[in-house]
Amino acid sequence: SQQGEEDPQALSIQEGENATMNCSYKTSINNLQWYRQNSGRGLVHLILIRSNEREKHSGRLRVTLDTSKKSSSLLITASRAADTASYFCATDAKVDMRFGAGTRLTVKP
Amino acid sequence: EAGVAQSPRYKIIEKRQSVAFWCNPISGHATLYWYQQILGQGPKLLIQFQNNGVVDDSQLPKDRFSAERLKGVDSTLKIQPAKLEDSAVYLCASSVLGGLFTGELFFGEGSRLTVL
Repeated sequence: SQQGEEDPQALSIQEGENATMNCSYKTSINNLQWYRQNSGRGLVHLILIRSNEREKHSGRLRVTLDTSKKSSSLLITASRAADTASYFCATDAKVDMRFGAGTRLTVKP
Repeated sequence: EAGVAQSPRYKIIEKRQSVAFWCNPISGHATLYWYQQILGQGPKLLIQFQNNGVVDDSQLPKDRFSAERLKGVDSTLKIQPAKLEDSAVYLCASSVLGGLFTGELFFGEGSRLTVL
């Protein structure tokens, strides 16, 4: 079964705008990760946030984690057309990694 | 550093036929995962290996799917006999860590299976 659920399922924005994606999960976790997948390709790791962290930055990415609400958000600032992809959150439920259904982001030039 | 290698990239078979996918993880990575990704959905974990032992295969349809990890390195995923609903991309991933704490997963490009 899926552990994470992303919201929205699809997001379309203009280049330069910010994109925010949310992830909710069901059980306690050790860490939460965000991945990106370009069409027809494998997943690429973006950022990992541990359960005792509340916020983390990496370049134009900002991730927050609220363990009390079992939710996380991924913010991409100043989006570019090249950011067009599907974004997935993944949580380590017990010992394995489970992914949500993803948010499909389209950035229009 | 070489990435996760998978083959074949594409495979088309008739239903009830068999197919095998191969994965070579990044050298030194103890944990290997096989995921099934149906079009428009997120990856679904099929099986996880820690070295050459199975950690989790609870979502592997064992009546038709089998997987092994030889000597804790390469892995093969087999489907026999295939059904139409097995059409998907089969992703292999590896990570340095495993067990109670999972680090970054490195994915291969995937093997796309079409069952006619």
